[in-house]
Amino acid sequence: QSALTQPPSASGSPGQSVTISCTGTSSDVGGYNYVSWYQQHPGKAPKLMIYDVNKRPSGVPDRFSGSKSGNTASLTVSGLQAEDEADYYCSSYANRNVVFGGGTKLTVL
Amino acid sequence: EVQLVESGGGLVKPGGSLRVSCAASGFTFSSAWMSWVRQAPGEGLEWVGRILSKTNGGTTDYAAPVKGRFTISRDDSKNTLYLQMDSLKTEDTAVYYCATYYYSRSEFWGQGTLVTVSS
Repeated sequence: QSALTQPPSASGSPGQSVTISCTGTSSDVGGYNYVSWYQQHPGKAPKLMIYDVNKRPSGVPDRFSGSKSGNTASLTVSGLQAEDEADYYCSSYANRNVVFGGGTKLTVL
Repeated sequence: EVQLVESGGGLVKPGGSLRVSCAASGFTFSSAWMSWVRQAPGEGLEWVGRILSKTNGGTTDYAAPVKGRFTISRDDSKNTLYLQMDSLKTEDTAVYYCATYYYSRSEFWGQGTLVTVSS
């Protein structure tokens, strides 16, 4: 199972919006509505930000939103804040396996 | 409060074996589906495998790079998840996280335990 494709980096100024893409295939992203997004700060465990394409766990700000079109999922962070600077990983269910994206480093300028 | 605490990491030689554990508390472990995810130094996340609850058959699935070498098991009486790693390779060097699992959704994670495979 190949990793999902994410851009290695993204950036935006405080208050702006940024969107991170995650491209897979019809065997993973396109085949199931089981896409999740994780935020990871250096030296910390990942934190679930979005699951089932567009659902937010309790406690995650509504500045974070998810969507999917075909084989590509997206994470949008609106109203960027300094604490949003982190690595972001998408993941998808894929026929009894899970596949992750390579990660995107989000920089808040 | 949900807690997952990994232990058992360390240095092992190529070809060797190691078992890491994950002690769970704060939720009904016996009903939970659980997974292992690893992260090599400076690299991204990689799914290792998962185990369903005994109610759902207790079945396991593994990522291709570890299939046949790694075994996930659980002891519901001890609220503990295990990862037995055999025939270890240098490329298995990583921080190993246990996490709750429901398809691609892992809501709770441990702090990770470092496994280093080196001669």
